[in-house]
Amino acid sequence: QSALTQPPSASGSPGQSVTISCTGTSSDVGGYSYVSWYQQHPGKVPKLMIYEVSKRPSGVPDRFSGSKSGNTASLTVSGLQAEDEADYYCSSYADNNNYVVFGGGTKLTVL
Amino acid sequence: QVQLVQSGAEVKKPGASVMISCKASGYTFTSYYIHWVRQAPGQGLEWMALINPSAGSTSYARKFQGRITLTRDTATSTVYMELTSLRSEDTAIYYCARDEVELPGYWGQGTLVTVSS
Repeated sequence: QSALTQPPSASGSPGQSVTISCTGTSSDVGGYSYVSWYQQHPGKVPKLMIYEVSKRPSGVPDRFSGSKSGNTASLTVSGLQAEDEADYYCSSYADNNNYVVFGGGTKLTVL
Repeated sequence: QVQLVQSGAEVKKPGASVMISCKASGYTFTSYYIHWVRQAPGQGLEWMALINPSAGSTSYARKFQGRITLTRDTATSTVYMELTSLRSEDTAIYYCARDEVELPGYWGQGTLVTVSS
């Protein structure tokens, strides 16, 4: 059981937008602005897509955006493309013995 | 460019120990924490530990305390992760990742550890 809760799946058609949620507690997501999102294609290494809730690393398309409200963070992918089909994981800093916690992952399907 | 190069795949018997290395290049080694994260087959990501390469201080997930040790060699910009008392549930890909604002950022290529009798 993961510390952060993500929906197991999400889907959208090319060109549409999809939002993936990541729910934690006031001890992690709700308490800090340290939330990251990762994209992982099958058999590949996770890739950082969003950090500090809403910042994009260099090279990440601006179709990817992040936000947070209370104990829930969200990743929105706009203008869906076929190559966006992947697993997405959220992570958060946590103020307990587990410094970092992850969500269970969301499989994004582009229909 | 930032590179984290991990050691190769390992096959271990239950009860044994494994040590994986993670060699950093392309940045100042002592300026960024290194995280370790694992992923069991078909499963999600699980945070294990982190090390401050400058001070050598560490933080371990509660689940792994007593079984995991992180060390570093600043002369070679390498971090080592040792996991002891291996069991079949430890079969996973183990990743090191450079910190990016408190969380894993840039990831190594991963090291597959298989625990089997």
